[in-house]
Amino acid sequence: KNQVEQSPQSLIILEGKNCTLQCNYTVSPFSNLRWYKQDTGRGPVSLTIMTFSENTKSNGRYTATLDADTKQSSLHITASQLSDSASYICVVSGTNTGNQFYFGTGTSLTVIP
Amino acid sequence: KAGVTQTPRYLIKTRGQQVTLSCSPISGHRSVSWYQQTPGQGLQFLFEYFSETQRNKGNFPGRFSGRQFSNSRSEMNVSTLELGDSALYLCASSFSGGAPYEQYFGPGTRLTVT
Repeated sequence: KNQVEQSPQSLIILEGKNCTLQCNYTVSPFSNLRWYKQDTGRGPVSLTIMTFSENTKSNGRYTATLDADTKQSSLHITASQLSDSASYICVVSGTNTGNQFYFGTGTSLTVIP
Repeated sequence: KAGVTQTPRYLIKTRGQQVTLSCSPISGHRSVSWYQQTPGQGLQFLFEYFSETQRNKGNFPGRFSGRQFSNSRSEMNVSTLELGDSALYLCASSFSGGAPYEQYFGPGTRLTVT
């Protein structure tokens, strides 16, 4: 069964600190993995997208890693800001699933001053 | 260019009624996908339309249906509403169906069923 699991479910960190969010998936065969940021009351916004051959991709203070062998991905946020408070969602698609995406339930991040 | 727009933004309906939600994709995008988001289940895929044809469908009952028009605008209809249908409904547009491709989400329609 194709599944995506994220951890932790929620996280509270101090402003300026770093954090890492985890995503494990069982979608196979794998096509690509996305990380989205969703602010409260708004639609998700793409942060990174990685294919099988990519193992690191950065977008400003966000760095995503992918280990296709262990089917794990992480999103590292550096020097967190209050505006990073949001839900971070991992989304995986497979090569034989058409355009269907499998979503994790997200990690809720709260950055406090 | 303008982003994905969804109307209405908020909606309150009574159990048993039906509802139609609208999504206008980014200009030039031909693929529109619909998702249901609830606190307990997260984002769940409803269906995808491409060039007026439903190309993929998630595991939702037949009460959930959709269509796409020639200008790529899409509508989603939910008939015989149930309390459990209360959710944020998101649509996302993309240029084409090839992967990897970028999806752009709208702000969502918050549906409350009483």
